[in-house]
Amino acid sequence: NAGVMQNPRHLVRRRGQEARLRCSPMKGHSHVYWYRQLPEEGLKFMVYLQKENIIDESGMPKERFSAEFPKEGPSILRIQQVVRGDSAAYFCASSPPNNAGGEQFFGPGTRLTVL
Amino acid sequence: AQSVTQPDIHITVSEGASLELRCNYSYGATPYLFWYVQSPGQGLQLLLKYFSGDTLVQGIKGFEAEFKRSQSSFNLRKPSVHWSDAAEYFCAVGYSGGGADGLTFGKGTHLIIQP
Repeated sequence: NAGVMQNPRHLVRRRGQEARLRCSPMKGHSHVYWYRQLPEEGLKFMVYLQKENIIDESGMPKERFSAEFPKEGPSILRIQQVVRGDSAAYFCASSPPNNAGGEQFFGPGTRLTVL
Repeated sequence: AQSVTQPDIHITVSEGASLELRCNYSYGATPYLFWYVQSPGQGLQLLLKYFSGDTLVQGIKGFEAEFKRSQSSFNLRKPSVHWSDAAEYFCAVGYSGGGADGLTFGKGTHLIIQP
């Protein structure tokens, strides 16, 4: 059973370009979470999605960031017009429906560098 | 709002010595508590979790943690560390309703193992 998959693992963008980060949850998992980790910091929650629905986006910056989890295919975190401050590791996690244990399973992350 | 404090940014321990990493949380209800480990350039791996029952929980790789409600703490322990335990350790708190929220992470403790 494959774990949470994220691609690309490393992404380099110039200021003003768009970044698209993909996350495929574990098989049978319908909940996806995105986190951002800045250097020397812990992970900060960004957004929680279920299939075709955004449940909680309280941690998302108000501008330039968006996320989706379509009926088919991976979840996408999209950052438009990237700036140097967007350089970070972005982690995706997934959990099954009715997750009584509260555990989230993390992917290996995408490390975004903005030049 | 919930918060997690890991007061030690770095800890250095000799190989074979015992280890305790501190974690304090602030949460308005019964929390779900987690310890994750992150090796350099990698994603997060769950070491152990607490959400009910016995307050002393056993995890993988010989780790254990004790939930102390009176002290709002969930400290991680290991009786004898190995060089391979060198990594970043994160304490996290989740919503006790069951996986319905993003996790709140501490800033992490960087564990260094001396030969």
